Amino acid sequence: DVQMTQSPSSLSASVGDRVTITCRASRGISDYLAWYQQKPGNVPKVLIYSASTLQSGVPSRFSGSGSGTDFTLTINSLQPEDVATYYCQKYNGAPLTFGGGTKVDIK
Amino acid sequence: EVQLVQSGAEVIQPGESLNISCKTSGYTFTHYWISWVRQMPGKGLEWMGRIDPTDSETNYSPSFQGHVTISVDKSISTAYLQWSNLKASDTAMYFCARHFVFSSPASSFHHWGQGTLVTVSS
Repeated sequence: DVQMTQSPSSLSASVGDRVTITCRASRGISDYLAWYQQKPGNVPKVLIYSASTLQSGVPSRFSGSGSGTDFTLTINSLQPEDVATYYCQKYNGAPLTFGGGTKVDIK
Repeated sequence: EVQLVQSGAEVIQPGESLNISCKTSGYTFTHYWISWVRQMPGKGLEWMGRIDPTDSETNYSPSFQGHVTISVDKSISTAYLQWSNLKASDTAMYFCARHFVFSSPASSFHHWGQGTLVTVSS
């Protein structure tokens, strides 16, 4: 099975900072990669799918890139409401594995 | 509006069986696969398995194969997750999620249920 490794597992940044989260697949998955945001006590919400397509209604400060094995989620100008845990997920074949998550908070 | 409404929280004793539900509305039930996701307390998301409501074709994660059963009732647009022998380690929040791409098992999840908290304790 393809393993999804996210890094870092947590980070602390200042409001306005650019934040980058990486996700690495143990084998190529083309662009079958989604990013989710989960705020404490809430349901996960899709931010990005097909590695780089922004879900409707998601602020444009979020962006995704990558293909094959290496992927990145970038938050340009971190906002207080972005405090959450972020997960990548591969979905090109079962199992549809999630990464371990990256907890983002404000410094 | 697409909605997935899950059944309420459960407190169950070890060894008991349980069936939780995910009632859908706002779209044609048989057009989109549904997955189930586990989140243990303070931990990350784990994909458990998926089902095609058209013909009940299922795929399970190796971690959950044989321990849970995913099913649907097309007549009431509802998906189910069931256990026959719960353990304390099954204590978690369980989410159902609808696939985004029409009739595709390979899809991101754009609609989620609100979650069902299952507590297994004697």
